[in-house]
Order: sequence, then C-alpha cells, then structure tokens
Amino acid sequence: RKEVEQDPGPFNVPEGATVAFNCTYSNSASQSFFWYRQDCRKEPKLLMSVYSSGNEDGRFTAQLNRASQYISLLIRDSKLSDSATYLCVVNGDNNAGNMLTFGGGTRLMVKP
Amino acid sequence: NAGVTQTPKFQVLKTGQSMTLQCAQDMNHNSMYWYRQDPGMGLRLIYYSASEGTTDKGEVPNGYNVSRLNKREFSLRLESAAPSQTSVYFCASSGSQGRNSPLHFGNGTRLTVT
Repeated sequence: RKEVEQDPGPFNVPEGATVAFNCTYSNSASQSFFWYRQDCRKEPKLLMSVYSSGNEDGRFTAQLNRASQYISLLIRDSKLSDSATYLCVVNGDNNAGNMLTFGGGTRLMVKP
Repeated sequence: NAGVTQTPKFQVLKTGQSMTLQCAQDMNHNSMYWYRQDPGMGLRLIYYSASEGTTDKGEVPNGYNVSRLNKREFSLRLESAAPSQTSVYFCASSGSQGRNSPLHFGNGTRLTVT
C-alpha cells in the first residue's frame, strides 16, 4: 500500500460546482498535512495546511479524519482557474525531522 | 523575492555524462530537499539536508550525490547519467517549524538523458 494515496482523476466539473477530493495515508503517527496545487509544467505551491479541527480559506475547506486516516479538500464555486493537480502531502514520522511524502495528485478540470 | 532558484531549467545529457543541478534559497531555511517527479509516480525524495553540514538519503538516492555547500545552497550531482534519470527535478526548502513547515519549491529542471 502506498503511504499516501489519491484518486488521480481527472475530475471534470462545470464552473460553479462543488468538488471534493480525499487522500488516505498509512502512517498513523503522521502529524502534519498539507494540500499543494500544481499547474501543468510548474512547481507545486502550498494551497493550505490542514489542521486537526478543519480549516477554511475562502472557497477551500480542508478536513482531517485521524480515525480513518484521510484528509479531504472541498472546493466550492469552482473557477476555471482552479484547474490544476492537487497534491496531498503528509509528514512522515522519522527522527530526521521534516520529511514529507507526496500523493500522486488528483487532477481537476473545470469547464465553462 | 527570489525564494528558491534552480539552474538549469532544461538539460539534455547523453548516457554516461555527468552534471550538477544547482539550488539556492534566500529565505534562511535550514532544510533543503531534492525531489524528482515522473508521470504517475508523484514526487519522490532523492536526498535532503536537515541543516547545514548534514545530508541524508531519501526514497530514491541511487545514482545521485548531493552537497550542502552552505546554508543557502544544495546541489545535486549525477555522476553517470542514465535514461532512467530522465525526469523533472525540484529543489525545495523549508523553515525551522519542524514538522509543520511547508515546502517552497524552485521552478524545476527538466532533464532528458538519451
């Protein structure tokens, strides 16, 4: 089983739709969780951190479910500019500090 | 703000050639990383440096060496390139917040080995 798993998609949604992605992780000792966004042929960029109590940033909401070991990203009122690949990132439990594991990414395509 | 700067942006090598990818960050970050990204594989960690003077292997270190030249710079060397090393390489850095520190990436280097 991969350490961090995501549905690769693509998720094809119309503008204005609400879309949600899940990401499962295998290491129950993981402490930090992030969502990154990656545009085609560009570097990944931090979208948001994921906090235990859940957090919201504008149209984006992130949730953490430790019991079931998954995190989610909800995008409301999708825009064309939201089209990208969304990477789930989880901190591993290692003695060397901040070693992050990336999921394979979920591709989102928002259509007019 | 420059952030994380990688050079070169593109490179084509022949099998057996060597090259060094350069990376520098101006955010005073302690930790630096080298990842490779392949279609369908996601980002995989090659090497990282938790602080100046230390380096450690990541998930896929074979065929690579690194040098943490100083706090700002972290280079990745391919001594004898192989076609399997055709990939997009990203350098990244993170601050001193430990496990809560997000990564800041460079623009990437697209490497083709023929």
